[in-house]
Amino acid sequence: GQNIDQPTEMTATEGAIVQINCTYQTSGFNGLFWYQQHAGEAPTFLSYNVLDGLEEKGRFSSFLSRSKGYSYLLLKELQMKDSASYLCAVGDSNYQLIWGAGTKLIIKP
Amino acid sequence: IAGITQAPTSQILAAGRRMTLRCTQDMRHNAMYWYRQDLGLGLRLIHYSNTAGTTGKGEVPDGYSVSRANTDDFPLTLASAVPSQTSVYFCASSVEGGAAHGYTFGSGTRLTVV
Repeated sequence: GQNIDQPTEMTATEGAIVQINCTYQTSGFNGLFWYQQHAGEAPTFLSYNVLDGLEEKGRFSSFLSRSKGYSYLLLKELQMKDSASYLCAVGDSNYQLIWGAGTKLIIKP
Repeated sequence: IAGITQAPTSQILAAGRRMTLRCTQDMRHNAMYWYRQDLGLGLRLIHYSNTAGTTGKGEVPDGYSVSRANTDDFPLTLASAVPSQTSVYFCASSVEGGAAHGYTFGSGTRLTVV
């Protein structure tokens, strides 16, 4: 079956760095996405990785290892507004997105 | 507007009633999707449409139907609502069908079936 695993909840301190991991097993691979979702709101696009390596975009970076079925989202200089759920999604062989349940990130002052 | 509009924002519905959730986009995206999001579960695809005039079934299509008469509109109908359809429903679109393009989401419809 197809499966996306990510931690249910993480806590970090304002100003610190946090890494949210995602492991996947899917039928085929057509890219990995990270989305941010604030409580009661719609998911918004953060990053897309299709090749191995690190993609950096401001305070956020995303890493992919296709051979390990593994990705992480790295958030630097955490701000209170980064408190949200972070969703990992993988494109399968049918080009459909398979979604993880999301990681709720709590930022403490 | 610039994006996706969903209506209603929230609804309480009696079991057995018929309900249509509306979704309209003005980005001229070809592909559109309906997801449901339940606590502790990932977004689950209900139905999708890669282009106007075509639709396909997702992971959890039972009890739901869709139509795509034109590029902009993609309504989701619950023919006879049941309590297990209580959920938050998100409509999304992308430039083309396929996971290589990011999805834009609507603000969601919170549906409670009692």
